[in-house]
Amino acid sequence: GAVVSQHPSRVICKSGTSVKIECRSLDFQATTMFWYRQFPKQSLMLMATSNEGSKATYEQGVEKDKFLINHASLTLSTLTVTSAHPEDSSFYICSARPVGGNQPQHFGDGTRLSIL
Amino acid sequence: AQSVTQLDSHVSVSEGTPVLLRCNYSSSYSPSLFWYVQHPNKGLQLLLKYTSAATLVKGINGFEAEFKKSETSFHLTKPSAHMSDAAEYFCVVSAQGTARQLTFGSGTQLTVLP
Repeated sequence: GAVVSQHPSRVICKSGTSVKIECRSLDFQATTMFWYRQFPKQSLMLMATSNEGSKATYEQGVEKDKFLINHASLTLSTLTVTSAHPEDSSFYICSARPVGGNQPQHFGDGTRLSIL
Repeated sequence: AQSVTQLDSHVSVSEGTPVLLRCNYSSSYSPSLFWYVQHPNKGLQLLLKYTSAATLVKGINGFEAEFKKSETSFHLTKPSAHMSDAAEYFCVVSAQGTARQLTFGSGTQLTVLP
């Protein structure tokens, strides 16, 4: 089946540093990938839609300069949390939709980000 | 516009008894509907999907869901719960023919008692 790999699974870093999270579709191509944020015991909140070869589309209220998204190939999208602060601590999940047809999104295993 | 309402935030069942997780949706377009399961500190795994074919959809691990347009519902069921079914379940709607972004329900935590 379609597999999405998300790395790292967990990261702990100091306030003020930048953190990059990778999302890879391992056995399919994806022109579109999605980045979600999930707070404890809550549902997923869509942050942005990552489009291969073009700028990401951010949801209202999400700072594009804070959460940098790059989708340089059909199998890789990255999310960089810049100058991270404790309030950025959260569970971040990516998903990818295979090219063509009405196929569902496939999700990565998420990244637990903790900012000290 | 589209939205999803999961009617129960928490459901507890005994092992071996039936599971019913309720979901109602609204959508301006013909919707695609999904159920995903999430285990702790993990991503989401697709259980099943409805995309305008058969209204009774069978998924993995013995789960199934029935699309009822008249009731705007897509409830998830399983005849006999297993301990490994304990997890968070999300009902999700996607509008066909659009950018197909997903709209998530608030989730239902399923507890399976021994």
